[in-house]
Amino acid sequence: GAGVSQSPSNKVTEKGKDVELRCDPISGHTALYWYRQSLGQGLEFLIYFQGNSAPDKSGLPSDRFSAERTGGSVSTLTIQRTQQEDSAVYLCASSTGVVGEVNYGYTFGSGTRLTVV
Amino acid sequence: RKEVEQDPGPFNVPEGATVAFNCTYSNSASQSFFWYRQDCRKEPKLLMSVYSSGNEDGRFTAQLNRASQYISLLIRDSKLSDSATYLCVVGGSGGYQKVTFGIGTKLQVIP
Repeated sequence: GAGVSQSPSNKVTEKGKDVELRCDPISGHTALYWYRQSLGQGLEFLIYFQGNSAPDKSGLPSDRFSAERTGGSVSTLTIQRTQQEDSAVYLCASSTGVVGEVNYGYTFGSGTRLTVV
Repeated sequence: RKEVEQDPGPFNVPEGATVAFNCTYSNSASQSFFWYRQDCRKEPKLLMSVYSSGNEDGRFTAQLNRASQYISLLIRDSKLSDSATYLCVVGGSGGYQKVTFGIGTKLQVIP
């Protein structure tokens, strides 16, 4: 597709349930990020995938959070045993992964708004 | 020291005013610099990349000062539609393109 696609756009789940959030990046983009943003707050880095390299998981807040990226394309963020503090907008972004003076930046999906009740 | 620091504001400016935001970064090896714009309850969108020579796009001018490790964004002739949060983004050192987003500076242009 033309942009980064995320699904679902909204998700309401009960505390303790598991959720899966999906990100379909722009075709050919090798870098993929997951961020989350709580209401009125800044972006919080979660995880970064770059090509076939081992992902940078340094931003995952607990072992309830995991993510994978299959075939270098689609990524899934899984949150197990959801808690109310997990409520946020989860944003995915992709980029060409090119480093240097000319860099076209990162394109974000419109996010998944997760509400844990 | 945070990797990327911004004044969260808000900056309240009248229409037509000129406003400038600065953003400082801690990693001197950073290679990629951007300004993003985020409207309320929307995803961030790329406003402009920041190059060593500085760059201008209409009413917007971005500058990079490597010696002092900051980037700036200047908005001239502010419009009501410029009201948003402006995010500073820095990263990409050593071939590893992970970037860090600042917390953002909120701009409110008032009539």
